[in-house]
Amino acid sequence: DIQMTQSPSSMSASLGDRVTITCQASQDIGNNLIWFQQKPGKSPRRMIYYATNLANGVPSRFSGSRSGSDYSLTIISLESEDMADYHCLQYKQYPLTFGSGTKLEIK
Amino acid sequence: QVTLKESGPGILQPSQTLSLTCTFSGFSLSTYGMGVGWIRQPSGKGLEWLANIWWDDDKYYNPSLKNRLTISKDTSNNQAFLKITNVDTADTATYYCARNSLTTEGIRWFAYWGQGTLVTVSS
Repeated sequence: DIQMTQSPSSMSASLGDRVTITCQASQDIGNNLIWFQQKPGKSPRRMIYYATNLANGVPSRFSGSRSGSDYSLTIISLESEDMADYHCLQYKQYPLTFGSGTKLEIK
Repeated sequence: QVTLKESGPGILQPSQTLSLTCTFSGFSLSTYGMGVGWIRQPSGKGLEWLANIWWDDDKYYNPSLKNRLTISKDTSNNQAFLKITNVDTADTATYYCARNSLTTEGIRWFAYWGQGTLVTVSS
C-alpha cells in the first residue's frame, strides 16, 4: 500500500499568514493526489485535484504543488473561514490512502 | 443537482453485521462512468477509504478490512450499499458515501459527498 505521511498534524496561524501543509508519498503517485478541506461537523470538500488543479469554486488563495514525492497545499493569505482539517488522498493505485490529516487553527 | 445521503442503524453490537445505504440523486449508477465510494472517519481521526463500486459492477475493497466488506448497488432505486461483517468497537465511525465519475481526463474522485451517518458499536 502507498503510505501518505502528512505534516504537520496541527498548526496555528494568524490571519493573512502563508500556510503550507505537506504530504509525502511512500511510492511514486505521479500527480494523482487530492486535497480535501473538512470543516467541523461537515463532510470533506475537494479543493485541489491532480496535485495542482483548483476545484470549482475554490478561492484562488489555495494552491497545490509537488516537489518529488512531497505534495503541498498552500494558502497564500489565511482567512478565518479556512479554519478546518485538511486531508490528502492518493489515487494512483488501490487501496486509496489518505494522509492522517492536519488541523488548522487560527491564532 | 447531485446529492447523496447515508443511512444506517445508528448503534449495533459487536459481532453483528453493519448495513449501510447510500441514497443518491442527480446521477445513475447505470450510466457509463459513474461510481460510488464509501469512506469512514472515527471521531477526531482521519479518513479511511473502504470500497468503490462502478456502473459496470466493478468493485474494489480496502484489503485492511480483510474480506469483511461487501459493496453492492440497486440501480432502479438509486442506491448503493455497504455491509461490514463481524463489527467491533474499532468500526465506530461516521460513514460517508461519495460519487466518483470517469471523465475524458480520468477519474473525478469524491467530488460529491453525503452528510455522513454515525455508527456506534457498543455492547
